[in-house]
Amino acid sequence: DTEVTQTPKHLVMGMTNKKSLKCEQHMGHRAMYWYKQKAKKPPELMFVYSYEKLSINESVPSRFSPECPNSSLLNLHLHALQPEDSALYLCASSQSLGDTQYFGPGTRLTVL
Amino acid sequence: AQSVTQPDIHITVSEGASLELRCNYSYGATPYLFWYVQSPGQGLQLLLKYFSGDTLVQGIKGFEAEFKRSQSSFNLRKPSVHWSDAAEYFCAVILGASGTYKYIFGTGTRLKVLA
Repeated sequence: DTEVTQTPKHLVMGMTNKKSLKCEQHMGHRAMYWYKQKAKKPPELMFVYSYEKLSINESVPSRFSPECPNSSLLNLHLHALQPEDSALYLCASSQSLGDTQYFGPGTRLTVL
Repeated sequence: AQSVTQPDIHITVSEGASLELRCNYSYGATPYLFWYVQSPGQGLQLLLKYFSGDTLVQGIKGFEAEFKRSQSSFNLRKPSVHWSDAAEYFCAVILGASGTYKYIFGTGTRLKVLA
């Protein structure tokens, strides 16, 4: 089973809202990733967690706050977003850093 | 600078025709190489990967890719395209070792299949 699940599938939020995206995997993977993908563009890496510790932060604005409460779960907390943050947010996991990444279906985020 | 190039932004082929999508990387050593496919509004599905060994790798859905070190290329091929193959295709590399990695995606190739 190489399934990564993401909730919600769609999210619409105002610029003053606080919301969270959730990602879950039960493959025993110890690395998890958040990517942002704008329309007609490749995914851009945002954060990487390894063994529940933040390994990479690609200079992402502080209005995006990742959290890895356990080895199966990855959250992305959103606060005071801008309309330009509207995108598809993809979660991925891999056995370890540098290993094959398996992606979830994504959360389509719209910021009004 | 390290980069992944997919020279073809769009490719159109007829159903049943063969397909080759190009991918070149710029890096001194051989990276880990991947091809992913993405349908509109969906996540990325892994088609195949190359880490080492046999330079011709087989993937899912009848796809294969060949790693050519001399050309720094990892082109994706399929002998007979089906209408359901219409999608965006991304070549990706992982560079580095010992816990320090870079994850780089190409700009993508959008495949259109004519009936």
